[in-house]
Amino acid sequence: KNEVEQSPQNLTAQEGEFITINCSYSVGISALHWLQQHPGGGIVSLFMLSSGKKKHGRLIATINIQEKHSSLHITASHPRDSAVYICAAAMNYGGATNKLIFGTGTLLAVQP
Amino acid sequence: KAGVTQTPRYLIKTRGQQVTLSCSPISGHRSVSWYQQTPGQGLQFLFEYFSETQRNKGNFPGRFSGRQFSNSRSEMNVSTLELGDSALYLCASSRELVLETQYFGPGTRLLVL
Repeated sequence: KNEVEQSPQNLTAQEGEFITINCSYSVGISALHWLQQHPGGGIVSLFMLSSGKKKHGRLIATINIQEKHSSLHITASHPRDSAVYICAAAMNYGGATNKLIFGTGTLLAVQP
Repeated sequence: KAGVTQTPRYLIKTRGQQVTLSCSPISGHRSVSWYQQTPGQGLQFLFEYFSETQRNKGNFPGRFSGRQFSNSRSEMNVSTLELGDSALYLCASSRELVLETQYFGPGTRLLVL
């Protein structure tokens, strides 16, 4: 079992729909990152959060530390939102710092 | 500010050879992390450097090594290449720690034949 689980693996939506991607993790974490990867490989960091909720434009990320769960929401989705969304948990395994453990990603396709 | 740069962008090697990849972080960033991305395993953490010191290491064999220079530029080396090392290698920089926003480079795509 992966320490970081994402769902769904694949998601197809119509333009304008509200989208939710979920991420759950099995152990305590220091922070959680949401990343976006477009075809060709480039990765952009969307959010880094350790509690509560963050909003940037049409994107909202929430985290519930007690339930070990985070969600990424996209409001009024657009075809340009089509990408792979990856959550990554910063975990400390006794080293000097945390290291990132990644979910398997959610492939989102938004159709016009 | 210029973003994170990685060289080379593409590389083809044969089994048994070694390879060195380079990463230049954003100016002022002292932490550089390396990641391997493959279709089967997804993204996996390789190691993190800060002020020329390796602070954390993922579960990769000793064939994978890295270093960081005083100007924060980092290199990773893979010796005795195997077919399974074919992957996209990404580096990311941040000011201090992985608890901060990570800025990713475009990656180096390595193909081992």
